[in-house]
Amino acid sequence: NAGVTQTPKFQVLKTGQSMTLQCAQDMNHEYMSWYRQDPGMGLRLIHYSVGAGITDQGEVPNGYNVSRSTTEDFPLRLLSAAPSQTSVYFCASSYSRTGGRNQPQHFGDGTRLSIL
Amino acid sequence: KQEVTQIPAALSVPEGENLVLNCSFTDSAIYNLQWFRQDPGKGLTSLLLIQSSQREQTSGRLNASLDKSSGRSTLYIAASQPGDSATYLCAVRLVSNQFYFGTGTSLTVIP
Repeated sequence: NAGVTQTPKFQVLKTGQSMTLQCAQDMNHEYMSWYRQDPGMGLRLIHYSVGAGITDQGEVPNGYNVSRSTTEDFPLRLLSAAPSQTSVYFCASSYSRTGGRNQPQHFGDGTRLSIL
Repeated sequence: KQEVTQIPAALSVPEGENLVLNCSFTDSAIYNLQWFRQDPGKGLTSLLLIQSSQREQTSGRLNASLDKSSGRSTLYIAASQPGDSATYLCAVRLVSNQFYFGTGTSLTVIP
């Protein structure tokens, strides 16, 4: 089982560049989400989706865009990278419909992003 | 806004000791609470999930309890081993499908 796959694992960008972090899951989960993890601040929710065509903002959405055209994929776009976006980014998936919400979240291995 | 706090931030214990990790949350209107383990440079691995209607869950040497009314959960690890060394995080899931994480407890088990 592949589970949740994130690419790339590492990336260095210059301020102002754009890029897309990829996330794919093969568990047919309706719910997918993106988090950033910063020292001393834990994981914070950026954007999430409860199904194809549906996205919503989390706690720290500014500077990031998402779309969900298929159940499997949930890419995260940085439009104009800033040093404050240096972080480790995690993608996660789970079921979201009633009954399925009490199934655990599954996480990818993360993308370590540095903005110079 | 939901806030999740974990105490202590770091813990070091000798091998074989039983230990308790704490998690508290400010809003009791949660759907469930989940405990995760994170190894350095890795993603999160789910350990236990407690539904809002449940009081505790057990898996092997791990036992998690939930007191929703007081906004508290504990993770009990019995007979700790060096392989238990990791960061442990708790997270609450709201009815809105948003998740809030604590900042974690870094555990070191000394052989």
